[in-house]
Amino acid sequence: AQSVTQPDIHITVSEGASLELRCNYSYGATPYLFWYVQSPGQGLQLLLKYFSGDTLVQGIKGFEAEFKRSQSSFNLRKPSVHWSDAAEYFCAVGAFSGGGADGLTFGKGTHLIIQP
Amino acid sequence: DTAVSQTPKYLVTQMGNDKSIKCEQNLGHDTMYWYKQDSKKFLKIMFSYNNKELIINETVPNRFSPKSPDKAHLNLHINSLELGDSAVYFCASSLRDNNYEQYFGPGTRLTVT
Repeated sequence: AQSVTQPDIHITVSEGASLELRCNYSYGATPYLFWYVQSPGQGLQLLLKYFSGDTLVQGIKGFEAEFKRSQSSFNLRKPSVHWSDAAEYFCAVGAFSGGGADGLTFGKGTHLIIQP
Repeated sequence: DTAVSQTPKYLVTQMGNDKSIKCEQNLGHDTMYWYKQDSKKFLKIMFSYNNKELIINETVPNRFSPKSPDKAHLNLHINSLELGDSAVYFCASSLRDNNYEQYFGPGTRLTVT
């Protein structure tokens, strides 16, 4: 079965500084990888996804992520964070069989705090 | 607006009651899901439906019964509610031909007292 590890429960970053959120996955085949963001009291918004092809993927809100198969990682980055980026970030891996959608397996999330 | 919608947004009820949460998507998707987010914000798949057919039924008490009357709707009925059922329940949908990119509803916060 697939699994996702987000090793950092909390991360504090100063506004304007760069950000990297770590994600490691375990999955036997080529993974479908996602990053979602959840603002306080809100639902989940898809930031970006990786299915195949270029290993550096661009997302919304200035985020990007790099798929590294050798490290089983899919880290999320942003060159300069804004106070509005404070939220919970979830990495997820998808397993989709021929019969239908098996759903996403989520990591436990990383809580991002932005210091002024 | 095109979206995944859920009703109600908040649900407070007593132990032992039966309640339902409704989900609708107007994105033309053929696959829908229910996820549970616990108090520690951990998200876990509960069910998935593809073209109204149950695909995934994770280890969920049989007090939980999903129903999909058509591809655009997936409702969740919960019998004999327990304190441990308190959580945020998210509905999501995706299109199989688009690699199952999932769009989430706003969530329903269920509080059982």
